[in-house]
Amino acid sequence: KQEVTQIPAALSVPEGENLVLNCSFTDSAIYNLQWFRQDPGKGLTSLLLIQSSQREQTSGRLNASLDKSSGRSTLYIAASQPGDSATYLCAVLIHNKAAGNKLTFGGGTRVLVKP
Amino acid sequence: NAGVTQTPKFRVLKTGQSMTLLCAQDMNHEYMYWYRQDPGMGLRLIHYSVGEGTTAKGEVPDGYNVSRLKKQNFLLGLESAAPSQTSVYFCASSIHGIYSNQPQHFGDGTRLSIL
Repeated sequence: KQEVTQIPAALSVPEGENLVLNCSFTDSAIYNLQWFRQDPGKGLTSLLLIQSSQREQTSGRLNASLDKSSGRSTLYIAASQPGDSATYLCAVLIHNKAAGNKLTFGGGTRVLVKP
Repeated sequence: NAGVTQTPKFRVLKTGQSMTLLCAQDMNHEYMYWYRQDPGMGLRLIHYSVGEGTTAKGEVPDGYNVSRLKKQNFLLGLESAAPSQTSVYFCASSIHGIYSNQPQHFGDGTRLSIL
């Protein structure tokens, strides 16, 4: 059974510092991995999607890396801003259609960027 | 610019009561999903639909029923609410299936408390 873990559960940094968020998964046979942002009282917004054949994806100040063999992904946010304060979730999609469509989410890391 | 709209936003029920959560999307998406989010557990898929008139079970379907009578609407029903169903429910939709590169678009959630 695929398990996705995000540590730490909460993180507080001063403005301008780079953010490093970790995601680990137990089954390396994934189809893709996604990072989402969730603001309080809101739904999820997709940030980056990395296919299993890719090593990283970049969008502006965001960079996500994927190491399937070790079951790890890292989301880097450069030069953090107070507007980056949110909960960040990672999710992996297993490559096993026989088991049904299943996107397994981590519990999220709650980030606070202090001005 | 509605996207995915969920109603109601909040609801308190007594054990044994029934209710229906409504999800509506205006993006002409084929695929729709219902998730529940519990503290520290990320999101878990309840049911999903790959098109009008079709539904399928997700990871935690027990105690819930769904219907997709119209392409733009996906209803989640609780026939006899239980305290274990206290959660935040999210609806999502996507243009292609879960194995595509296209992200899911999420609603803002329905906060449901069962007393």
